[in-house]
Amino acid sequence: GAGVSQSPSNKVTEKGKDVELRCDPISGHTALYWYRQSLGQGLEFLIYFQGNSAPDKSGLPSDRFSAERTGGSVSTLTIQRTQQEDSAVYLCASSLRAQQGYTFGSGTRLTVV
Amino acid sequence: AQTVTQSQPEMSVQEAETVTLSCTYDTSESDYYLFWYKQPPSRQMILVIRQEAYKQQNATENRFSVNFQKAAKSFSLKISDSQLGDAAMYFCAYRSRGGSEKLVFGKGTKLTVNP
Repeated sequence: GAGVSQSPSNKVTEKGKDVELRCDPISGHTALYWYRQSLGQGLEFLIYFQGNSAPDKSGLPSDRFSAERTGGSVSTLTIQRTQQEDSAVYLCASSLRAQQGYTFGSGTRLTVV
Repeated sequence: AQTVTQSQPEMSVQEAETVTLSCTYDTSESDYYLFWYKQPPSRQMILVIRQEAYKQQNATENRFSVNFQKAAKSFSLKISDSQLGDAAMYFCAYRSRGGSEKLVFGKGTKLTVNP
């Protein structure tokens, strides 16, 4: 597609439920990133996929968080047993060449009540 | 680990005036990339300008320019002829040239443009 697409745009969930957030990167972009942006904070790195290499999961805050990327394209970020502190905007980005920076999606605003 | 610091949580500027947003970073690397991103209320991060550390010439994109001081590890953004549409959060970011592909972000500066 023309840009990075994320769905849903907004998600409200009850504490303890599982949620899945989807990211569809720009076609041909080999690298895909997930970041979390909490209210008033900068962007916190979560996970990075590059081609067929093993993902860099070093930013995942707990084992409740996981992500996969199928066929080198669409990625899903899953949060199990959501907690209130998981409330944030989850941003996905993709890139082809590192020096060009990332192209971001519009994010998913997750609210855990 | 690299860190990025934006010391101005908020800034304001009058329409048509010039404003400079500050960014400093800490790294032991000699080659890297630096970026400024804009995040309007729509949430989408938009790349404003980028700089490659091995290039001494400061990057310029229309009304946006940077002052890259490698020795001082400073990377400020200058916005000339400010427009109402420039109002947004601005984030400075660092990326290593080799190794990790992660962007490391500062906490951002909220820019208000007054008519």
